[in-house]
Amino acid sequence: DSGVTQTPKHLITATGQRVTLRCSPRSGDLSVYWYQQSLDQGLQFLIQYYNGEERAKGNILERFSAQQFPDLHSELNLSSLELGDSALYFCASSPREGSSPLHFGNGTRLTVT
Amino acid sequence: AQSVTQLGSHVSVSEGALVLLRCNYSSSVPPYLFWYVQYPNQGLQLLLKYTTGATLVKGINGFEAEFKKSETSFHLTKPSAHMSDAAEYFCAVSGRTGGGNKLTFGTGTQLKVEL
Repeated sequence: DSGVTQTPKHLITATGQRVTLRCSPRSGDLSVYWYQQSLDQGLQFLIQYYNGEERAKGNILERFSAQQFPDLHSELNLSSLELGDSALYFCASSPREGSSPLHFGNGTRLTVT
Repeated sequence: AQSVTQLGSHVSVSEGALVLLRCNYSSSVPPYLFWYVQYPNQGLQLLLKYTTGATLVKGINGFEAEFKKSETSFHLTKPSAHMSDAAEYFCAVSGRTGGGNKLTFGTGTQLKVEL
């Protein structure tokens, strides 16, 4: 158990809809990262927050947004969903930036129909 | 920008045989390098990491990796494969500069262990 909690585990929704994925980092970790894993794109970095502030942005679509709250949990919002958004979305956390490794949650599997 | 290339999307070995999973990196600055393992329906678990110091890094489950700057490689090895090692393995790189330590992953290598 990595200590990173993601909810829900599975999500099935229709095109055009909006969903929110939630992540609770390991106790004491200040940094949260979001990744998307799909068969055709592999593991893609989406966005990183550190102590509530956005620190790095990757291949995140404009339809997607995220935030990190004062209690350090994070939410990833996906809107105007398309079939191609179906993927496994991982959250990871680390105590700080630098060499500290990331600890991953078990992911949320999103299926858009 | 950093990147990693994993050679071989699928590797098959016999139980008890040597495991060798290849990873080459590209980075304009000395990188941090990682190997992660993903079992079915689970998240990624850290196997080992290289940051500074000793170039031979030992990780969990008997795995180790050697950082070779001259070859820009960070190959993962295990002397004797076990059935429980069957999983997908990802090599990853991050930078040493500020602005976050996001990981850039390779495309993964699926390891199959046969009796």
